[in-house]
Amino acid sequence: GAVVSQHPSWVICKSGTSVKIECRSLDFQATTMFWYRQFPKQSLMLMATSNEGSKATYEQGVEKDKFLINHASLTLSTLTVTSAHPEDSSFYICSARKFGTWSTDTQYFGPGTRLTVL
Amino acid sequence: GEDVEQSLFLSVREGDSSVINCTYTDSSSTYLYWYKQEPGAGLQLLTYIFSNMDMKQDQRLTVLLNKKDKHLSLRIADTQTGDSAIYFCAESSTGGYQKVTFGTGTKLQVIP
Repeated sequence: GAVVSQHPSWVICKSGTSVKIECRSLDFQATTMFWYRQFPKQSLMLMATSNEGSKATYEQGVEKDKFLINHASLTLSTLTVTSAHPEDSSFYICSARKFGTWSTDTQYFGPGTRLTVL
Repeated sequence: GEDVEQSLFLSVREGDSSVINCTYTDSSSTYLYWYKQEPGAGLQLLTYIFSNMDMKQDQRLTVLLNKKDKHLSLRIADTQTGDSAIYFCAESSTGGYQKVTFGTGTKLQVIP
């Protein structure tokens, strides 16, 4: 199997605080993880690509100082939303690349974290 | 840039077949995916197809690819109420280590 977990699944915080979301690959090593954001009734938008042991690559328009990504090990990547504001409220989903052959190399998604900033 | 389009909503009766359509623009798309998202949950990979294939069948799911028209479809046979969810079409040009571009999602409603 290829299981990816996220923690927490739901978080409510006050405006101005920072929130850390964890993404773990439970039964495989992931050199690359991805962070997506999903607004209500919309598709997933890639925020950044996280590589183990190196700096994340951010998509255009995503503030790297606002969304801090740390990929410290082959099974864990964290996304920290710093000084969160109500407009950061969203569903954050991570995925992890399970390395394989050309026919099996794919991403597996976590269950998502719903962030609500009051 | 890449663009993936889907219709927003589909309603079918339980037991009927559902067909969800998707079009994409990136001619270098190599992997084409279908994901299922239930309310409040993450994405579940249902199936994927390579651009050198034109059909893939997996139990009740049939994926058809028309590469010339850049059209992908997902057919669900004998649709059940548990199939009610949002279905995302997605593409990637180089597999797992590159970003996946998602469509807008099609909400499938199954009427008992």
